[in-house]
Amino acid sequence: EPEVTQTPSHQVTQMGQEVILRCVPISNHLYFYWYRQILGQKVEFLVSFYNNEISEKSEIFDDQFSVERPDGSNFTLKIRSTKLEDSAMYFCASSPLGVPSYEQYFGPGTRLTVT
Amino acid sequence: GESVGLHLPTLSVQEGDNSIINCAYSNSASDYFIWYKQESGKGPQFIIDIRSNMDKRQGQRVTVLLNKTVKHLSLQIAATQPGDSAVYFCAELGGDDGSSNTGKLIFGQGTTLQVKP
Repeated sequence: EPEVTQTPSHQVTQMGQEVILRCVPISNHLYFYWYRQILGQKVEFLVSFYNNEISEKSEIFDDQFSVERPDGSNFTLKIRSTKLEDSAMYFCASSPLGVPSYEQYFGPGTRLTVT
Repeated sequence: GESVGLHLPTLSVQEGDNSIINCAYSNSASDYFIWYKQESGKGPQFIIDIRSNMDKRQGQRVTVLLNKTVKHLSLQIAATQPGDSAVYFCAELGGDDGSSNTGKLIFGQGTTLQVKP
């Protein structure tokens, strides 16, 4: 069964450093997402991406964040200058996005630790 | 603003019993709801969804009930098994009109289901 993959599984970085989190969505999916989950809290929407552009972003997704689909398979989230409060699990998701289902398939996540 | 919440942070049930996990939402215009299961160290996994024009939807051992009058959603798991132990999240499509066409999901806090053997 096809699945979303993410690398690395765990990333440790120092405050102020740039990080790039990588995702390979399911190949025939059209919509891509990033969510984050701070330890013990709920999953929060960051950004959705369709047709090579951002379709919606949350208040969390400020100028320090960017997303890119550099080729036909990868989808990346870049944090330019990490802060302590960026420490969280980051989940990539993809969906074919069609009526009647908006089912999103999530990857296993990247745990980002900012020290 | 938009918010989705669950009534209980933890639910403990005996193996073989039925489980009921509850969720309240605030946006009366919400059109679509999903239940996700998250096992330790993994990403959320789709369980079942329901549109607002339905009151009930059944899957394999799971049933979702939607009460739009009181803005309440529940997930029923029949004959709960140890493999059902996980955190369960309800989520709704975001957007002020409850029908985000970008697929943005708003998640609730999560209920941890513990299954006792």
